[in-house]
Amino acid sequence: QVHLQQWGAGLLKPSETLSLTCGVYGGSFSNYFYNWIRQPPGQGLEWIGEINHSGNTNYNPSLKSRVTMSVDTAKNQCFLNLTSVTAADTAVYYCVRENDAVSDWGQGTLVTVSS
Amino acid sequence: QSVLTQSPSASQTPGQRVTISCSGSGSNIGNNYVYWYQQLPGTAPKLLIYSTNQRPPGVPDRFSGSKSGTSASLAIRELRSEDEADYYCATWDDSLSAQVFGGGTKLTVL
Repeated sequence: QVHLQQWGAGLLKPSETLSLTCGVYGGSFSNYFYNWIRQPPGQGLEWIGEINHSGNTNYNPSLKSRVTMSVDTAKNQCFLNLTSVTAADTAVYYCVRENDAVSDWGQGTLVTVSS
Repeated sequence: QSVLTQSPSASQTPGQRVTISCSGSGSNIGNNYVYWYQQLPGTAPKLLIYSTNQRPPGVPDRFSGSKSGTSASLAIRELRSEDEADYYCATWDDSLSAQVFGGGTKLTVL
């Protein structure tokens, strides 16, 4: 049974960098895309981007200038960096392992941006 | 403003059938597979339908997906109280080169 565990800072000041890590336990790391999706409080889902185990990425054009995703296949981890955050980046951030019928979600990390 | 359009809310009584719709365009729903997610209160979303009309293992056959042109639908039959949740459609948008979501439909089981 695969389990995705996320961690990272939950409170940031404007202009700081959001950094989250997602660890994949109990399952294969290869042959999947790792998506980052966020959900502002009380709102819908927004796709941030995706990365595969080889490091190939696709980013949401609206966030592309601020987003970097990477992987560490030795540790079965993927990473999200979002620079120059503002209050509009306040959301629950999810790591999602996907491949057609598979969609395994992390527990979500609430990131609040406030001065 | 979401790229895919969903009605904000829907309601139906237990045992009945409900349909949730998702409207897009030729660059997204019209040309790509559609995915549906169920989000129970306070939890992460769960994949209900992939590749427009396929159910992952463990998803009851009460849930079904379909597509016609630039619109997609999620049907739930034999509605149960535990189906009360938010439902999101998603697909790839070729013009945006991005995955896009609908705004979500809050289903109330009366």
